[in-house]
Amino acid sequence: QKEVEQDPGPLSVPEGAIVSLNCTYSNSAFQYFMWYRQYSRKGPELLMYTYSSGNKEDGRFTAQVDKSSKYISLFIRDSQPSDSATYLCAMRWNTGFQKLVFGTGTRLLVSP
Amino acid sequence: EAGVTQSPTHLIKTRGQQATLRCSPISGHTSVYWYQQALGLGLQFLLWYDEGEERNRGNFPPRFSGRQFPNYSSELNVNALELEDSALYLCASSLGPGTGFGQGTRLTVV
Repeated sequence: QKEVEQDPGPLSVPEGAIVSLNCTYSNSAFQYFMWYRQYSRKGPELLMYTYSSGNKEDGRFTAQVDKSSKYISLFIRDSQPSDSATYLCAMRWNTGFQKLVFGTGTRLLVSP
Repeated sequence: EAGVTQSPTHLIKTRGQQATLRCSPISGHTSVYWYQQALGLGLQFLLWYDEGEERNRGNFPPRFSGRQFPNYSSELNVNALELEDSALYLCASSLGPGTGFGQGTRLTVV
């Protein structure tokens, strides 16, 4: 079993839809949770990070962490064609060793 | 503030050759992390350098190695290249919870 599971998609939605992206994990020691966006042939771009449980909002993006269920989510409101990319969840322990454990990524396609 | 920079952008090598990839972390960051992203796979942790020392390595063979220089830039060397080494190699530095990545070096082994 992988430490972090993520549905690879693709997830296809019309412009303006609310998108929900999710990851589950098995290691309860993870404390930091991140979402990255990666366009084709580019490096990952950090969208949001959350420490421990709770919600965090930034513009059209909302990240949720439920540590009791070992489940994290990213919601995108009013999705745009420019949001079409692969979304990677990542997480790490609260130590000086900042190795990230990634999901395999979900490919999102937003059609005009 | 300049982000993480990597060079070259693309690299084509023949099986059995050696590849050298370079990374400069964000100014003030002393740590460098290397990851491999092979087609269809997630990012896999390769190596961690901090203050000039290798601190940890992922589940990769010894032909993946590197070093960190006094200015905290880093070099990743891949010896005896195999076809399955073809991937996007990403470098990251971090001084807080959010890790920033470079644009990567796409290595193609033919």
